[in-house]
Amino acid sequence: QVQLVESGGGVVQPGRSLRLSCAASGFIFGSYGMHWVRQAPDKGLEWVAVIWFDGSKTYYADSVRGRFIISRDNSQNTLSLQMDSLRAEDTAVYYCARGEYNYGYILDYWGQGAPVTVSS
Amino acid sequence: DIVMTQSPDSLAVSLGERATINCKSSQSLLYSSNNKNYLAWYQQKPGQPPKLLISWASTRDPGVPDRFSGSGSGTDFTLTISSLQPEDVAVYYCQQYYTTLSITFGQGTRLEIK
Repeated sequence: QVQLVESGGGVVQPGRSLRLSCAASGFIFGSYGMHWVRQAPDKGLEWVAVIWFDGSKTYYADSVRGRFIISRDNSQNTLSLQMDSLRAEDTAVYYCARGEYNYGYILDYWGQGAPVTVSS
Repeated sequence: DIVMTQSPDSLAVSLGERATINCKSSQSLLYSSNNKNYLAWYQQKPGQPPKLLISWASTRDPGVPDRFSGSGSGTDFTLTISSLQPEDVAVYYCQQYYTTLSITFGQGTRLEIK
């Protein structure tokens, strides 16, 4: 069965960096686009970034562009999110999500999420 | 960016009754070349990640009970639960995927039992 397991979350000071990972299993990882979506405490969902199945294209939300980098290693079935220059408003649970095979912007499987707290 | 606005923000419905959640987009989500609406609905139960319910405005994901249905076109969409069950208590989100440069979600609708 499809599994997505995030790791790397934690508490970090403003201005510092953090790297999230998402380990994928149960499907052919290299055939699917992948996304990061975040949810601030008691707030709604905010899409963060997408990477195409082969890593050829990436797109970002305006709120993180220039600070976050999404990447993938199809040989290791791993998705990553490098987060630099973190701000208090980046505090959230970060979910990795798989894009549906036929249209990669429908999010058909989600991980349990990695909490990130940005605080001094 | 396309702005998605859901109504109401919260809703209380009796067990067995119909629940209706609305979603309005700031521009049409209907792609004329294929006549498809680029809209999905998700359910998020407390402490859990979101779950895909419906895509293309009205296509249920496999395994989703048929009491859930989606309708609408263009800028106005509706998620209907025909007969509310206890396990349907959740927050529901609509999402547009018309623009692949940036997908956006509605603010969410909290559904409770009256």
